[in-house]
Amino acid sequence: DAGVIQSPRHEVTEMGQEVTLRCKPISGHNSLFWYRQTMMRGLELLIYFNNNVPIDDSGMPEDRFSAKMPNASFSTLKIQPSEPRDSAVYFCASSLSGGPVNEQFFGPGTRLTVL
Amino acid sequence: QQQVKQSPQSLIVQKGGISIINCAYENTAFDYFPWYQQFPGKGPALLIAIRPDVSEKKEGRFTISFNKSAKQFSLHIMDSQPGDSATYFCAASTVDKLSFGAGTTVTVRA
Repeated sequence: DAGVIQSPRHEVTEMGQEVTLRCKPISGHNSLFWYRQTMMRGLELLIYFNNNVPIDDSGMPEDRFSAKMPNASFSTLKIQPSEPRDSAVYFCASSLSGGPVNEQFFGPGTRLTVL
Repeated sequence: QQQVKQSPQSLIVQKGGISIINCAYENTAFDYFPWYQQFPGKGPALLIAIRPDVSEKKEGRFTISFNKSAKQFSLHIMDSQPGDSATYFCAASTVDKLSFGAGTTVTVRA
């Protein structure tokens, strides 16, 4: 398996622009997580889905952030409009919920820079 | 509010030495305690994990010690190697959701 796939790997945009981050989870996994990592705040859970349904979005910082999972093999995280403080590395992770081990497999991340 | 407190923020150890990272939690509903390892430019990856019915788990040079009554757990890296230089995160979970500690950057000097 190729692991969790994220695109793009790097994104540079200007303040006010819309940004869409994409994630393909590991085939067969039924839980998907979006995290944000910064030096100041560490690794924060933004939202997670189980069987394509959003379960907990309490970590989504503002209404500017939205996430969707239209099917089991694809998810997007959208920021509109983007702001410089959104600059961070965004990780997608997937896991097989309900199994004996709760291992989350992380993608390589998308480094977002908002100018 | 961070549900898992991790210390130290960073540490430097000589090759062959022992690295110790400590974590504490409050939520007694947590039932799974993994450690993740992250190299620069990569996503975190599961290193080792423990459940609260076990006081210690060892995998190679990595050992988790777990103290349920004190609500603390720690990672020991024995015979530290330069390739162990990375950031280590402790975490705790109930059901599917992981709460991560702030991370410890370990530097192993050759």
